[in-house]
Amino acid sequence: QVQLQESGPGLVKPSETLSLTCTVSGASIRNYYWSWIRQSAGKGLEWIGRINISGSGNYNPSLKSRGTMSIDTSTNQFSLKLTSVTAADTALYYCAGSPHYDILTGPWGQGIVVTVSS
Amino acid sequence: EIVMSQSPATLSVSPGERATLSCRASQSVSSNVAWYQQKHGQAPRLLIYGVFTRATGVPARFSGRGSGTEFTLTISSLQSEDFAVYYCQHYNNWPAFGGGTKVEIK
Repeated sequence: QVQLQESGPGLVKPSETLSLTCTVSGASIRNYYWSWIRQSAGKGLEWIGRINISGSGNYNPSLKSRGTMSIDTSTNQFSLKLTSVTAADTALYYCAGSPHYDILTGPWGQGIVVTVSS
Repeated sequence: EIVMSQSPATLSVSPGERATLSCRASQSVSSNVAWYQQKHGQAPRLLIYGVFTRATGVPARFSGRGSGTEFTLTISSLQSEDFAVYYCQHYNNWPAFGGGTKVEIK
């Protein structure tokens, strides 16, 4: 059974960088596309970005180049960095995997709440 | 940017009744539409992709139809476990989700 677990700080200061990691267990990270999705009351569900072992990440244009994803095959983890955060980046952040490029079959992590505040 | 608009925001339905949820795209997304179900405190779950193809394990009471800009998700006979929030998503270019329809018990 494939399981995903998000980790990272729950509080980030404005203008700083949000860094999250997703640990994949029960499957190799070499398979699948891996994504970050966030959910907030103001913006609803947003697909932040996706990556796989073969290439660079693809990101939501609305992020205006603030997002970067990476994969670490040695730890079976993938990560998200979001720079210059503002209160608008406050959300519940999910990581997810899928064999499909553009639909999220899952599995999903349970989500991690990140608050941007000084 | 393609915007997905869902209606109604809330749908009150009695168990056993039929529920029809609508999703409209601001421009054509061809057949690149998926539907997700989200229960309280859980991550979304894929129900349907490619407008009408049910994901693995999804009961046959869930069906999707539409093309271009107008799409619907129908739940033929609501079960207790179906009361949740439903989101449509296009993947014509960068994927985007609708605002959701909450299906609540009448």
